[in-house]
Formats: sequence, structure tokens, C-alpha cells
Amino acid sequence: DQQVKQNSPSLSVQEGRISILNCDYTNSMFDYFLWYKKYPAEGPTFLISISSIKDKNEDGRFTVFLNKSAKHLSLHIVPSQPGDSAVYFCAASAHGNKLVFGAGTILRVKS
Amino acid sequence: EAGVAQSPRYKIIEKRQSVAFWCNPISGHATLYWYQQILGQGPKLLIQFQNNGVVDDSQLPKDRFSAERLKGVDSTLKIQPAKLEDSAVYLCASSHRDDQETQYFGPGTRLLVL
Repeated sequence: DQQVKQNSPSLSVQEGRISILNCDYTNSMFDYFLWYKKYPAEGPTFLISISSIKDKNEDGRFTVFLNKSAKHLSLHIVPSQPGDSAVYFCAASAHGNKLVFGAGTILRVKS
Repeated sequence: EAGVAQSPRYKIIEKRQSVAFWCNPISGHATLYWYQQILGQGPKLLIQFQNNGVVDDSQLPKDRFSAERLKGVDSTLKIQPAKLEDSAVYLCASSHRDDQETQYFGPGTRLLVL
């Protein structure tokens, strides 16, 4: 069962514009959400996280929004840069238990 | 600070052979994870260690996979015998006891079973 879904396999954005990556989840017990970025031949690297008690968390160009009623979160990257081109994974956990990952979205930022 | 180290980076074996992967976590990280990432999917947790004890191995195919973390530092993951469907990237991650949800990943071992 796919508890965390990233329905867009890929996204292409022009440099300088906003990138919006989406993630949906089904398990209402999830209370912590993370985004990881992965370059080819490297492991995923932690990008940003959000607790279920918040609806927004910002870190520089990266902002994560959480809509608990819709069981939906999104990652906004503004402005997008060519170096942001990577695979982005959404992950969730319930009460400190194991992370459940989505399948990932490939982001391409065109210069 | 050194990151999570894994070896080998690539491995090609034939089905029914055995293979082992090694992981050295970030110094001081008590929690260590092994993930399997099949092409086109997200990482799936195989086993989680807290120091040298197993916390979660519910998704580890125990008939062929085994893992150990002697002395609570390095860890090895073994597959014996390998099947074609074991072809994947095997990722090791570690986290600090006080922030277990922020996991730091190694570069992974890409396994191809022919």
C-alpha cells in the first residue's frame, strides 16, 4: 500500500521561476514530514521538514506547506536554480517510527 | 564531519550467489538503517538498529537477507542466495538518538543480479 504518493514523476521549470512539488499521504497517524533531495549516484540528502503542528516551514529558498485536512504537502522552491535539478522524495513518519517514502519527482530546472 | 560510508559502490552477481554490503555510520549516531531502493520507487526500510539491537526488521526478507551491527558501529547486510528481484540500490542511513527522523544517507550500493 502506498501511504505516501508523489503523483508527478517529473517536473520541468525555467530558471528563476517557482518549482512546486506535491505529495499526498493516506495515513492520518503521520505527524512529521520531510523532503529529501537526491543527485545521481548519491544518497538522498535532507532538505527540510515540518511537524504536523505547523502548516508552513521556511528555509531560504525552500518552503514546505502542510494541509492536514487534505493530507497534502508541497515543497516550493523560489527562485529555482539549475543546481536544484534532482529527484525529490517526500517522506513521513508517525510518532517517531520509520520513514515512509514516496516514489520521488524528478525536477529539471532549465537555464 | 565525515558522512555515512558504504562499500562497495557497485556489485554484479549471478542469481543464487551471495553478496555482502558494509556501512559505517556518522560518528556518534546510535541509529542505523538499511533501505532498499528499487528503480522508480522510493527507499523502503529493511532494518533499523538502535546501537547493536534491532528495532524494526518487519520488512526484511529473513529467508535470504540478514544484517548485523556488532559493537553498535559498523553494519553489514547480506543476501544469500540472491534473486533477480534483489537488483536495487541498498542505502545505509544513520541518525542521532535525539533526532531520529532526520536521517543521513550514504551513497548506496548498486546491486545487479543477473
